[in-house]
Amino acid sequence: NAGVTQTPKFRVLKTGQSMTLLCAQDMNHEYMYWYRQDPGMGLRLIHYSVGEGTTAKGEVPDGYNVSRLKKQNFLLGLESAAPSQTSVYFCASSTSGNTEAFFGQGTRLTVV
Amino acid sequence: AQSVTQPDIHITVSEGASLELRCNYSYGATPYLFWYVQSPGQGLQLLLKYFSGDTLVQGIKGFEAEFKRSQSSFNLRKPSVHWSDAAEYFCAPGGGADGLTFGKGTHLIIQP
Repeated sequence: NAGVTQTPKFRVLKTGQSMTLLCAQDMNHEYMYWYRQDPGMGLRLIHYSVGEGTTAKGEVPDGYNVSRLKKQNFLLGLESAAPSQTSVYFCASSTSGNTEAFFGQGTRLTVV
Repeated sequence: AQSVTQPDIHITVSEGASLELRCNYSYGATPYLFWYVQSPGQGLQLLLKYFSGDTLVQGIKGFEAEFKRSQSSFNLRKPSVHWSDAAEYFCAPGGGADGLTFGKGTHLIIQP
């Protein structure tokens, strides 16, 4: 009964380093999302995908790239990390854009 | 553009007292409406949702919410709060391919 799993849970990066966050869902959902959560800002959408092989930009896409090569996985990449990308990142999935979204436990990323 | 407002950043309530968290949205049409709860260090959990029909919806943990089209509101209520209700609460309308739009959240503090 895994639901949405995010890897890793914590990470510290140095400015300029790159990394990939992995999101995996086992509910056969078409839609997947990446959000970032910052104090007082709620959740802001970075990128999303409406199906395998598709991606689209959300509200705050700059500095991030994504890929959805397999339906169950949605990867979020940071090519050159900046301190402004210090945040908690959440992945979510849903059957469509107007149904309940299921969330992972989050990844706390610190860029120093 | 769609938007959602949670006017109260923090709310403090005594244990056993009633609770109402406010949510106002701006959408082109009646959106699908959700309330989520986030306990410290955790992901988001769905409390309840409104799609259509009865404007008073029941959720988990004794929460309910009322959709008022004339006021563009979807306020969350609970008759008697428990210390375990201390958390962050997010209102989220949805309906497009980019999924849910999250408010900035209301931090609920429970006084003994």
